[in-house]
Amino acid sequence: KAGVTQTPRYLIKTRGQQVTLSCSPISGHRSVSWYQQTPGQGLQFLFEYFSETQRNKGNFPGRFSGRQFSNSRSEMNVSTLELGDSALYLCASSLGETANTEAFFGQGTRLTVV
Amino acid sequence: AQSVSQHNHHVILSEAASLELGCNYSYGGTVNLFWYVQYPGQHLQLLLKYFSGDPLVKGIKGFEAEFIKSKFSFNLRKPSVQWSDTAEYFCAVTTYSSASKIIFGSGTRLSIRP
Repeated sequence: KAGVTQTPRYLIKTRGQQVTLSCSPISGHRSVSWYQQTPGQGLQFLFEYFSETQRNKGNFPGRFSGRQFSNSRSEMNVSTLELGDSALYLCASSLGETANTEAFFGQGTRLTVV
Repeated sequence: AQSVSQHNHHVILSEAASLELGCNYSYGGTVNLFWYVQYPGQHLQLLLKYFSGDPLVKGIKGFEAEFIKSKFSFNLRKPSVQWSDTAEYFCAVTTYSSASKIIFGSGTRLSIRP
């Protein structure tokens, strides 16, 4: 079956702009999580959506937001971009219905803010 | 707050050498434990997971890990590494109360000399 698909793969934006990243989960998965990966901070949890509701949130400013659609696809938005937002943004999907759940990751979107 | 510590930032080994990567977590309750691998240019993949039961867990590609509850540890092992094991390895934990939020360690870069 198809894996987790993230688009676009690469993105270059200017400070102050906003950006929207997209994630299509594995068919049948209802949970989508987002992570930011940087050399300095490693992998950090942004938020998780399950059945269109935000179920969990990390410690990121309000400029980072997301949503999930009825088909489980998710988007992540970052407004007023800062240089420090340059990172690899990873999306993970899982069935999400029990605590013993395994997450599958996409290839990521590499965002560069200039 | 939960955290995961990986003691080795960069490990260099020759082919056929044995591998052990350390991982400790801080959380007093029930946890699920994971090791993920990120090969150069590829997405995060699950190597192995521990939910409950036998504390010695076997994963893909000959990797195994042992959960020692009293030491809050989940070390990764492989008896004989290959050049193709060159990658970054991440230890991770989720809790029952926050199963969708994966807390990652800082990662260990493994370089194998052919």
